[in-house]
Amino acid sequence: GAVVSQHPSRVICKSGTSVKIECRSLDFQATTMFWYRQFPKQSLMLMATSNEGSKATYEQGVEKDKFLINHASLTLSTLTVTSAHPEDSSFYICSARHQWRSYNEQFFGPGTRLTVL
Amino acid sequence: AQSVTQLGSHVSVSEGALVLLRCNYSSSVPPYLFWYVQYPNQGLQLLLKYTSAATLVKGINGFEAEFKKSETSFHLTKPSAHMSDAAEYFCAVSEGQAGTALIFGKGTTLSVSS
Repeated sequence: GAVVSQHPSRVICKSGTSVKIECRSLDFQATTMFWYRQFPKQSLMLMATSNEGSKATYEQGVEKDKFLINHASLTLSTLTVTSAHPEDSSFYICSARHQWRSYNEQFFGPGTRLTVL
Repeated sequence: AQSVTQLGSHVSVSEGALVLLRCNYSSSVPPYLFWYVQYPNQGLQLLLKYTSAATLVKGINGFEAEFKKSETSFHLTKPSAHMSDAAEYFCAVSEGQAGTALIFGKGTTLSVSS
């Protein structure tokens, strides 16, 4: 149990286009989901915290108009990279906090590799 | 503010040797601590977690970690390395409040040679 999926796993797009990444908790409900960004050979950097039914909370330095987050249901959060540029190329990972698990345990998706040409 | 420091960005061991990956944390409240493993181009898999119960925590794949409050450490160990253990390992801390994100260390790459 506690599986998180991401779609797509890999996407290549042209500069200026928008890309939507989905994060789904497959067998549990997640009131909170998190979006991370990981550059090659580096750690995960938190971008934003997404709570079901409310606006996302963005970390300092993350442009909320560029990285649109929607958490419309207890099992789905989406990250839309608007007007993508080559510097947005990265590995994006989501995690979901299990609604009924304690200790703030989070389950991670397999990640989405975004390449902007 | 919370933080995590992983000493050694790269650790190399021989197959069968002891694995020791170091993690020190900083937290103003009793923390929850996690170790995750990441294989290339994949997400993170939880190895083990400390949640204020037993200080010696056993995880998957033969890994274990010991919480030492006096040293603010949560080092990860495995008695005998296997080739399949080669991966990136991340230590993370959470203050435990529901809905708070994890703070990750910079990661340690473990290489295992035959």
